[in-house]
Amino acid sequence: DAKTTQPPSMDCAEGRAANLPCNHSTISGNEYVYWYRQIHSQGPQYIIHGLKNNETNEMASLIITEDRKSSTLILPHATLRDTAVYYCIVPMDSSYKLIFGSGTRLLVRP
Amino acid sequence: EAQVTQNPRYLITVTGKKLTVTCSQNMNHEYMSWYRQDPGLGLRQIYYSMNVEVTDKGDVPEGYKVSRKEKRNFPLILESPSPNQTSLYFCASSYQGPRGEQYFGPGTRLTVT
Repeated sequence: DAKTTQPPSMDCAEGRAANLPCNHSTISGNEYVYWYRQIHSQGPQYIIHGLKNNETNEMASLIITEDRKSSTLILPHATLRDTAVYYCIVPMDSSYKLIFGSGTRLLVRP
Repeated sequence: EAQVTQNPRYLITVTGKKLTVTCSQNMNHEYMSWYRQDPGLGLRQIYYSMNVEVTDKGDVPEGYKVSRKEKRNFPLILESPSPNQTSLYFCASSYQGPRGEQYFGPGTRLTVT
């Protein structure tokens, strides 16, 4: 997998936007960026993925820089239930798997 | 309701006693996968299956077997469990392979003494 770098932890206040960065400077031209999250010890949950354009769904927005070397996951109005570990993943072209790194532990404060 | 189910959710067993963890999905997904999660090591893929009768090794396949006789089921078999297989296990499925949205099961916490 293309290597991704995420801060180990972040926090934000409830109701504010949470912006989670990810660096993926070795990404190839046609690989997507995926975001998952894991709440406590539950199964990971898919959030969003994108290639080059910004993406938005009911959970979050994904902003990918023009050079595609980094991206930001935005939770527009974080709630306490958004406290989780967030994983940014970029699979390699020939890979049939996703490799979950250490992720960012997001703490949403009341 | 679309879901991935795993059974059992919790299991304590002894070294060498064969066990099977079942995984079933009701979404007609072709791709299924098993992961294990250990503190400090993140999620690591054990085996995956692109379709019925097609399985392949992930990153940590040693000590595990799988089978895919039906599209909906993907059991994980530990023929002779050892304490180093104590872990939290997740099954996942996807319509478009690993690059599609993967749905994860609730997890099986296995302890081997």
